[in-house]
Amino acid sequence: ETGVTQTPRHLVMGMTNKKSLKCEQHLGHNAMYWYKQSAKKPLELMFVYNFKEQTENNSVPSRFSPECPNSSHLFLHLHTLQPEDSALYLCASSQTGGTYNEQFFGPGTRLTVL
Amino acid sequence: SQQGEEDPQALSIQEGENATMNCSYKTSINNLQWYRQNSGRGLVHLILIRSNEREKHSGRLRVTLDTSKKSSSLLITASRAADTASYFCATDASGGYQKVTFGIGTKLQVIP
Repeated sequence: ETGVTQTPRHLVMGMTNKKSLKCEQHLGHNAMYWYKQSAKKPLELMFVYNFKEQTENNSVPSRFSPECPNSSHLFLHLHTLQPEDSALYLCASSQTGGTYNEQFFGPGTRLTVL
Repeated sequence: SQQGEEDPQALSIQEGENATMNCSYKTSINNLQWYRQNSGRGLVHLILIRSNEREKHSGRLRVTLDTSKKSSSLLITASRAADTASYFCATDASGGYQKVTFGIGTKLQVIP
């Protein structure tokens, strides 16, 4: 257990559905991240939140909408997704302000878009 | 463009052998980290090496860093079947300590 939990672990949705992914960290960190991991591609950073404020949006399509109500919780709202959005979505957290940035990852949500 | 690139992309060895994975990157870094990922799971941090360090050890892991060549290697000694996983290097670019860029990974299979 890394102290970062994600729900659901698996999600199958149609292109017209709306769903949300949830991430919670129990480590007292101040930064949280969403990554997308597709087969044979590098891990893609999607969003970064620092003290609840979004500090990075890596040109992510608007059909992905993040929400960070507090430093412990992070959501990714999904709507009108495409089949190519099927991937493993990973959440991570870290404590920033130091000289390095070890990230703690959740187990991921395996998303399949039909 | 991709910052870290691991080599080889796949590696298969017998239990007890050593496994060496390499990572090359393009821009100056603050530090370099290695992570491990079991199939379909999240990544787990293994070791971090700072830009002013050349070698670091942690248990059966040995990491080297050559900033002049912009490369790092991860050596796992006396491998075990449980080491089977994907291994990623991640670079933390100078001036951007929140943004860590991952490579595509090396898939290691240790055959019992």
